[in-house]
Amino acid sequence: GQQVMQIPQYQHVQEGEDFTTYCNSSTTLSNIQWYKQRPGGHPVFLIQLVKSGEVKKQKRLTFQFGEAKKNSSLHITATQTTDVGTYFCAAPSSNTGKLIFGQGTTLQVKP
Amino acid sequence: NAGVTQTPKFQVLKTGQSMTLQCAQDMNHEYMSWYRQDPGMGLRLIHYSVGAGITDQGEVPNGYNVSRSTTEDFPLRLLSAAPSQTSVYFCASSYGLTGANVLTFGAGSRLTVL
Repeated sequence: GQQVMQIPQYQHVQEGEDFTTYCNSSTTLSNIQWYKQRPGGHPVFLIQLVKSGEVKKQKRLTFQFGEAKKNSSLHITATQTTDVGTYFCAAPSSNTGKLIFGQGTTLQVKP
Repeated sequence: NAGVTQTPKFQVLKTGQSMTLQCAQDMNHEYMSWYRQDPGMGLRLIHYSVGAGITDQGEVPNGYNVSRSTTEDFPLRLLSAAPSQTSVYFCASSYGLTGANVLTFGAGSRLTVL
């Protein structure tokens, strides 16, 4: 079935370094969503991208949707300890329309 | 406005026991769903419902039953628990019926099956 592949699975950075997680699909996506899960918490919606080549920013977070709508990225500039958690991308299945989640990227930030 | 409420937060079961994870939302969302989260596997859809009286299977439905008698409630039943069902379970809901709509998650239920 349709899969959304997310890399890397884990990332350890020093506070102040940048961080990027990537999400890839073999099929064209109608939209892509990003969620953040703090340790011990539940996923919380961050943003949705719909248009080809779309770029959206939330403070130090930059989200991009590829021109072919098959990939997306989340970039965090100058990480802080508050950025710790697991970041998930999610996209609707072409078969069922229901959200399929990537495996997630767990970010650790050393102060 | 409580959002999505899940109970219990933690549960330990023995193999073969049955239990129900409760989920309730007060946002008048039509769509409700259950996910399980396992290390390295992301969030996998178990069952979902697009309205009262309507349920359907997700990616990993085996061993789980659901029902939707009201808009607000969507319980998940384990009829005969197995160690492979040790996981963290999340209930999530949204206004719309498609993947274009944003999910609101409950706090999660951590289940251990011995």
